[in-house]
Amino acid sequence: DVKVTQSSRYLVKRTGEKVFLECVQDMDHENMFWYRQDPGLGLRLIYFSYDVKMKEKGDIPEGYSVSREKKERFSLILESASTNQTSMYLCASSEGGRREKLFFGSGTQLSVL
Amino acid sequence: AQSVTQLDSQVPVFEEAPVELRCNYSSSVSVYLFWYVQYPNQGLQLLLKYLSGSTLVESINGFEAEFNKSQTSFHLRKPSVHISDTAEYFCAVQAGGTSYGKLTFGQGTILTVHP
Repeated sequence: DVKVTQSSRYLVKRTGEKVFLECVQDMDHENMFWYRQDPGLGLRLIYFSYDVKMKEKGDIPEGYSVSREKKERFSLILESASTNQTSMYLCASSEGGRREKLFFGSGTQLSVL
Repeated sequence: AQSVTQLDSQVPVFEEAPVELRCNYSSSVSVYLFWYVQYPNQGLQLLLKYLSGSTLVESINGFEAEFNKSQTSFHLRKPSVHISDTAEYFCAVQAGGTSYGKLTFGQGTILTVHP
């Protein structure tokens, strides 16, 4: 089975801290994605990557950056965490090309106080 | 750009009753359509998808969805639900010309099945 692993299930940080969310997939997938999930808003795409060191902005990239130095790992970075970034963060991966299904991790619930 | 609207945020039903979760989309290009399900404390997983061909698609656990191009809808149905179907359901769209598998999701519908 494809496994997408997010390093933390719950995370509590203070306003202004730099936060790293890590995601690793074990299926050699080209594409990786970071979404945030908020009640009533569904999932919104923050950033995605289609190859090592390649990235593109999603719908809500402000306040976030990403890093993909190795194919299996995709990191989401909050440069200076703010309370409005309190959310559930979901990582996903898929094979190259369109129409392929996404495999999701279990999510990281981030609380910024 | 694409958008997805799920018309019901919560749907409560009794066990063995039929259910329909509604999904409408907008797009200026052809689309692929998906339903994902998130069981409590789990990640999202694919339930079913429409890529081309027959407009009626089915999942292995009895759900079905019908692509209606004229009404830009992709409603999810099940004739008889079980307690284990309690979950949040997300409709998603991918533009036909989009590379890299990027999906746009709806707001989600929480289905609660009562005994």
